[in-house]
Amino acid sequence: DIQMTQSPSSLSVSVGDRVTITCQASQDISNYLNWYQQKPGKAPNLLLYDASNLEAGVPSRFSGSGSGTDFTFTISSLQPEDIATYYCQQYDNLPTFGQGTKLEIK
Amino acid sequence: QVQLVESGGGVVQPGRSLRLSCAASGLIFSSYGMHWVRQAPDKRLEWVAVISYDGTNKYYGDSVKGRFTISRDNSKETLYLHMNSLRTEDTAIYYCAKDRLIVGGTFQFDYWGRGTLVTVSS
Repeated sequence: DIQMTQSPSSLSVSVGDRVTITCQASQDISNYLNWYQQKPGKAPNLLLYDASNLEAGVPSRFSGSGSGTDFTFTISSLQPEDIATYYCQQYDNLPTFGQGTKLEIK
Repeated sequence: QVQLVESGGGVVQPGRSLRLSCAASGLIFSSYGMHWVRQAPDKRLEWVAVISYDGTNKYYGDSVKGRFTISRDNSKETLYLHMNSLRTEDTAIYYCAKDRLIVGGTFQFDYWGRGTLVTVSS
């Protein structure tokens, strides 16, 4: 299995902050990486696919970059509704997810 | 509007079986690969299985291979997960999820159901 490691596991943030989350794959996965947002008690929501492509209807403050083993997810200016847990997911091989990054209000 | 509604969860003893269903609407169900993804309490998401749009190809995660079977009935627009030899570590919320692209599987999950809770306990 390809292991996905996110950093940090949790982050205290304020509205308006620029938020950056990293995701590292245990081997080269090209750009076969997705990012999801999950709010408590809800199903995950696809935000970005192929590392940097914004899913339809997702605000442009969300962005992603990277290829190979190292990836970055950014929220340019945090909004209150962005408080959630974020997961990366690779699909170069059978899918695996990162452990999640939980955003909390400072 | 795409809707996926899971059912069939509940409390079951270790070693027993359970069948989950996922009723789809608002999409051409027979055109998309479909997945099951689970999440144990306070754990990361874990992909469980995928079935191709026509049911001919199926793949499983290592932790469920040989015990779980994914299937679909396109005439009923319903996805299934047959779970045998259940273990306590199978306790989780089980989500069905739709593949983003038509026909070709992408492992990009663009619509999810609300999930159904399976608890394996004696």
